[in-house]
Amino acid sequence: SQQGEEDPQALSIQEGENATMNCSYKTSINNLQWYRQNSGRGLVHLILIRSNEREKHSGRLRVTLDTSKKSSSLLITASRAADTASYFCATDFNDYKLSFGAGTTVTVRA
Amino acid sequence: EPEVTQTPSHQVTQMGQEVILRCVPISNHLYFYWYRQILGQKVEFLVSFYNNEISEKSEIFDDQFSVERPDGSNFTLKIRSTKLEDSAMYFCASFRGARSGANVLTFGAGSRLTVL
Repeated sequence: SQQGEEDPQALSIQEGENATMNCSYKTSINNLQWYRQNSGRGLVHLILIRSNEREKHSGRLRVTLDTSKKSSSLLITASRAADTASYFCATDFNDYKLSFGAGTTVTVRA
Repeated sequence: EPEVTQTPSHQVTQMGQEVILRCVPISNHLYFYWYRQILGQKVEFLVSFYNNEISEKSEIFDDQFSVERPDGSNFTLKIRSTKLEDSAMYFCASFRGARSGANVLTFGAGSRLTVL
């Protein structure tokens, strides 16, 4: 399966701390994306990193990609209560679909 | 901001009944998708649709499932004879097209299907 697998499954942190989650995948990809899902809602695109990129930033988000290890990490700095959500990595190896992992549930405590 | 809209937000049905879930993708998007998420589990790909035909489908998308875009606006998922295990949140998504760059999907809020 092409699907990314996130680690850890769940993460609980204090407001202001950083949250780091990882994603591993199995085959070569064109790009890797991270999405966020608030409870009971749809997924919202956060950030995309292409296979020839190693690191990317967007606001408080930092994504790294290591294609030799087939892994990516998402770092959320200075977390806020509003960051409480599930985070999914999605891998793309063709133009037609993304494959999602099971997600990391992040809880930010006030 | 353009959005993908899905109806109904929640449907309860009896096992064996037919269900149609509706989606209105973003108007200038060319690729359409259905995903499903059983409560607390991963988001699973069902089917992708482009140029009025199925591009790819997963093993989940068996003969009980069908999709169509009857009027160039709505994109529907039909489950012919629902089973208990079809209970899930169904997400529609769309993507503008390869020329816009990488396939960043825009998702709807989902339709929760409960099969009794």
